[in-house]
Amino acid sequence: AQSVTQPDIHITVSEGASLELRCNYSYGATPYLFWYVQSPGQGLQLLLKYFSGDTLVQGIKGFEAEFKRSQSSFNLRKPSVHWSDAAEYFCAVGVGNNDMRFGAGTRLTVKP
Amino acid sequence: NAGVMQNPRHLVRRRGQEARLRCSPMKGHSHVYWYRQLPEEGLKFMVYLQKENIIDESGMPKERFSAEFPKEGPSILRIQQVVRGDSAAYFCASSFLKGRGSYEQYFGPGTRLTVT
Repeated sequence: AQSVTQPDIHITVSEGASLELRCNYSYGATPYLFWYVQSPGQGLQLLLKYFSGDTLVQGIKGFEAEFKRSQSSFNLRKPSVHWSDAAEYFCAVGVGNNDMRFGAGTRLTVKP
Repeated sequence: NAGVMQNPRHLVRRRGQEARLRCSPMKGHSHVYWYRQLPEEGLKFMVYLQKENIIDESGMPKERFSAEFPKEGPSILRIQQVVRGDSAAYFCASSFLKGRGSYEQYFGPGTRLTVT
C-alpha cells in the first residue's frame, strides 16, 4: 500500500540556520511527490512538486527538495530559515485515481 | 480567479445533529477531494468526486458520512448524527486535469467542526 512517512514530528531551528525535513515514501511505481505547508488555522499551500526529470526541484519561498529513488526519499531543504517559515509541513505522494496520501506532518518552530 | 472556497469556516453542532460542509472548487476545476485532519495529525483522504460521480470513497467512514458533487452548485460533505469524534478540520481540494496535472490540488481554508 502507498504510504508516506515523516520521521520528525517536531523540529526546532534557529533563524538563519539551514533546514532539512525528511520524507520517505512507499509506492510501487514512479511516484509523484509533493510538499505542502500549512500555517496555523489555514489550508495547505503547495511548495513544490516532483513528477519526473531533474531530481532536484525548486519551489516557492526558497525551498527545494531532492528525489532519491534509491532511498525512497524526498527531503525538503532550505539554506536559511526565516521566522515566517514556522508552520506545519506535509509531504504527499500522488496515487492512482488522481488523489494523494499525506504524511503525518512535521511542525517547524523557528527560534529567534 | 477565486480560490477554493469552503463554508462555513467554523461549525458547532451538538451530538446527534447533522453537519453540512460546502466546497466550491476553483473556476474550471471538475475534481473535488475531501480530507479530514484530526488534532495533531496529518490529512486523511476521505473521498474523491467528479461532477455527479463518486470516484473513490475508500477513506469515508461506512456510516453517517456522505458526499456529493452535483452538476450545479458546490460539493457537500454531510455528516449525520455527529459524535464528538467527528470534531476535526475538514479540507476540500480541487484540481482540473486528468493525468499528471490533476495531482496538483488546490486547497480551501477548511471547515473546523466542533461537536459539543
